[in-house]
Amino acid sequence: QVQLVQSGTEVKKPGASVKVSCKASGFTFTNHFMHWVRQAPGQGVEWVGIINPSGDWTNSAQKFQDRISMTRDTSTSTVYMEMRSLTSEDTAIYYCATDHSNSDSSAWWLDPWGQGTLVIVSS
Amino acid sequence: SSELTQDPTVSGALGQTVRITCQGDILRKYYPSWYQQKPGQAPVLVIYDKNNRPSGIPDRFSGSTSGNTASLTITGAQAEDEADYYCYSRDSNGDRWMFGGGTKLTVL
Repeated sequence: QVQLVQSGTEVKKPGASVKVSCKASGFTFTNHFMHWVRQAPGQGVEWVGIINPSGDWTNSAQKFQDRISMTRDTSTSTVYMEMRSLTSEDTAIYYCATDHSNSDSSAWWLDPWGQGTLVIVSS
Repeated sequence: SSELTQDPTVSGALGQTVRITCQGDILRKYYPSWYQQKPGQAPVLVIYDKNNRPSGIPDRFSGSTSGNTASLTITGAQAEDEADYYCYSRDSNGDRWMFGGGTKLTVL
């Protein structure tokens, strides 16, 4: 079935980096942009960034631009999100999600989502 | 950049119609999608591309847009519809996307 499976919980110290993976199956991975979304404890969801199907273009929310990298490995149908210089405010569940769009109607949607990866930043 | 504004909480009686709204100027240009999130779970797509439902989403869920306001309507809300709901759209400022702040739906 169509699914995204993410890597497990990470515990990091402030200032460290984290790399989260997301493995796709059940669909043509190379046809889709992939997004990252995060959710801090008790908060709403927040868009983090996007990577194109070939992996040679990425973009992210302004607040993450200087400390995030997104890559993808088409041989394993896996996308990665690395965030550097972590602070306690980066403690959150990080989700990957598959992009879909309809240019005729100017609509975008995300489906499916991964199960989420909890990243805890604590000294 | 743009913003999507949602009421933090909405409530409705069991079996009644509830409407969750999402406001933003960008909605005059782009159609939003809607997501349901239950505690401890990842968000799930419920409405996309104007008013389409993924397979498995009950037909009591529907979407509409008028001017700068999009609405997710649940006709005959059920107890299992209690959840947080988020709207999502492309931003006007470059190739970025955004979510509304979310609405917590309580079914009384």
